[in-house]
Amino acid sequence: AQRVTQPEKLLSVFKGAPVELKCNYSYSGSPELFWYVQYSRQRLQLLLRHISRESIKGFTADLNKGETSFHLKKPFAQEEDSAMYYCALKAQGGSEKLVFGKGTKLTVNP
Amino acid sequence: NAGVTQTPKFQVLKTGQSMTLQCAQDMNHEYMSWYRQDPGMGLRLIHYSVGAGITDQGEVPNGYNVSRSTTEDFPLRLLSAAPSQTSVYFCASSYRGWNTEAFFGQGTRLTVV
Repeated sequence: AQRVTQPEKLLSVFKGAPVELKCNYSYSGSPELFWYVQYSRQRLQLLLRHISRESIKGFTADLNKGETSFHLKKPFAQEEDSAMYYCALKAQGGSEKLVFGKGTKLTVNP
Repeated sequence: NAGVTQTPKFQVLKTGQSMTLQCAQDMNHEYMSWYRQDPGMGLRLIHYSVGAGITDQGEVPNGYNVSRSTTEDFPLRLLSAAPSQTSVYFCASSYRGWNTEAFFGQGTRLTVV
C-alpha cells in the first residue's frame, strides 16, 4: 500500500533561514513523488516533481530511495513561502491514485 | 482556460439531506478524483476515475457516490449528509501516465448541521 508521512504539522522559520520539509514514503515499487503547495485562499498547485530534478521558487527536492525520503529544501526562506505543503505519491501500474501526506504548514516570520 | 471548476463554493446542509457536488474539467483529462481536506488529516482520497464509465473507491468512500458518464464531469453525491462530512472537498484531474501533474478545483466548503 502507498503511504506518505510528513512528520511535522507545523514549521516556523525566520526569513532568510534554511528550511527543510520532511517527507517519507512507503511503497514497494518505483514511486512518482511530488510536492504540492496551497497558498492562503488558493487552490493546490504543483510545486515540484522528482523526475524533473528542477528548482522552483528556490525549492529543491531529492529522492532518496535508500531512506525512502523526498524532503523539500530551500536555502533562504522568504515570507511568501508561507503556505501549506503536501508531499504526494503516485503508484505505477495504472491505478493512478495520488496519495497525499497530512501536510506541513510553513510559516516564515519576518 | 477554465481548468477544473467546482460548484458550489460553499454549502450548508442539514443532517440527512442529500446533495451533489459538481466538478468539471475542460482539459480532456482521463483521470479525475475527489478528496476531502480536514485539519490535521491532509487530503484523503474519496473516489477516483480513470476514464468515463470507470470509478473506484479511495481511502474514505463511505457515504459518497460517484459516476463518470462523460470525460468532463465527475460529480460527488452525498447520500445522507452527516456532521462528520463537514469538510472542504477538492476535485482534481490529470492525464494518465508517468509523472503527470494534477490540477485542482478551488474547493467546496461543506458544513453539515
